[in-house]
Amino acid sequence: GAVVSQHPSWVICKSGTSVKIECRSLDFQATTMFWYRQFPKQSLMLMATSNEGSKATYEQGVEKDKFLINHASLTLSTLTVTSAHPEDSSFYICSARVGRDVLETQYFGPGTRLLVL
Amino acid sequence: AQSVAQPEDQVNVAEGNPLTVKCTYSVSGNPYLFWYVQYPNRGLQFLLKYITGDNLVKGSYGFEAEFNKSQTSFHLKKPSALVSDSALYFCAVRDEDSNYQLIWGAGTKLIIKP
Repeated sequence: GAVVSQHPSWVICKSGTSVKIECRSLDFQATTMFWYRQFPKQSLMLMATSNEGSKATYEQGVEKDKFLINHASLTLSTLTVTSAHPEDSSFYICSARVGRDVLETQYFGPGTRLLVL
Repeated sequence: AQSVAQPEDQVNVAEGNPLTVKCTYSVSGNPYLFWYVQYPNRGLQFLLKYITGDNLVKGSYGFEAEFNKSQTSFHLKKPSALVSDSALYFCAVRDEDSNYQLIWGAGTKLIIKP
């Protein structure tokens, strides 16, 4: 199946710093990538939809200036958590959409665990 | 509004027994239904999906799911459980007219006991 990577897998940072998370589709091109956040023992919460070459679409309640998303190429999307605070600590997961309509499937990266001290 | 319900937080099954993880959904149009599995400290892995056609869908690792339109359900099943099947299972749905955004269930923790 299609492979999606995320880097870094783990990051610990001080409050007030910015953290960039990369999401790459390794063996396919993805015009659409999704960014999720998962709290312990909870389901995934969609943060934003990232389309190559255009601005990301954010879900209600997600701060655009806080979570900057860039989708500069068909294989790379980045999420930057700006001025991180302890409440931003979470498990961030990206996915890449393959195919269209009935052939569409999302493949997920392994996730990035962020701990803000 | 679109929604997905996984009524069981946890399911316990003895190894070798059949397992069922329940999922019901609500969408306005025709549903696209998915099952994903998440192992500890790992990303989600795609198991199977239903888009159209045969109501019984076969997926990875011996899992299958049955689409039941009248009951708006898409339960995940396996005839004989393995200890290695222990993981967190998520059901997801989207309306065929949506912009590919999935609506997720809360997840069901499956524990297979030897």
